[in-house]
Amino acid sequence: EDKVVQSPLSLVVHEGDTVTLNCSYEVTNFRSLLWYKQEKKAPTFLFMLTSSGIEKKSGRLSSILDKKELFSILNITATQTGDSAVYLCAGPRGSARQLTFGSGTQLTVLP
Amino acid sequence: DTEVTQTPKHLVMGMTNKKSLKCEQHMGHRAMYWYKQKAKKPPELMFVYSYEKLSINESVPSRFSPECPNSSLLNLHLHALQPEDSALYLCASSQEQGYGYTFGSGTRLTVV
Repeated sequence: EDKVVQSPLSLVVHEGDTVTLNCSYEVTNFRSLLWYKQEKKAPTFLFMLTSSGIEKKSGRLSSILDKKELFSILNITATQTGDSAVYLCAGPRGSARQLTFGSGTQLTVLP
Repeated sequence: DTEVTQTPKHLVMGMTNKKSLKCEQHMGHRAMYWYKQKAKKPPELMFVYSYEKLSINESVPSRFSPECPNSSLLNLHLHALQPEDSALYLCASSQEQGYGYTFGSGTRLTVV
């Protein structure tokens, strides 16, 4: 059965801290892994990772995939209160590429 | 146009009402999805349409009835819902290979 597991489930940090969020996955016929940020409404796309060892960066956020270990991390440096959100990791599966989501990491950044 | 548009944004309905949620995309995506998300939980798949045909129904109760009138539109018809059906309903679309997966802003549904 396809499985996506995220850790930690919640994290509280102060502004300026660096955080690392973890995602382990077991997805049949792996093609990609996606990271999303969700505040009050719909998930917003952050990264799609397909190749092992290649870091994707967007501002203070970066992510990398280890296909051998079936693992991905999302790093956020110099956190800001606006980074407070649930961060979801997901793997497309099946012929229709429906997403299997992890349970998410609730990140709270205190001023 | 790189968006998935959902309407309405909020909906309050009684248990005897019939209502519909609408989702529209103009990115040429051939797969469209309905997800349900309860508070503090990740989105859960309900239905998948691929090339306008229902390809996956994740054992969703018949009070939820999806419809795909054309390649750009996806509806979710609601009838005789229960209070526990209150949730955020998300529509998404993707290219055939799963690239370009895009979510709409969601409809927050409250059943009273």
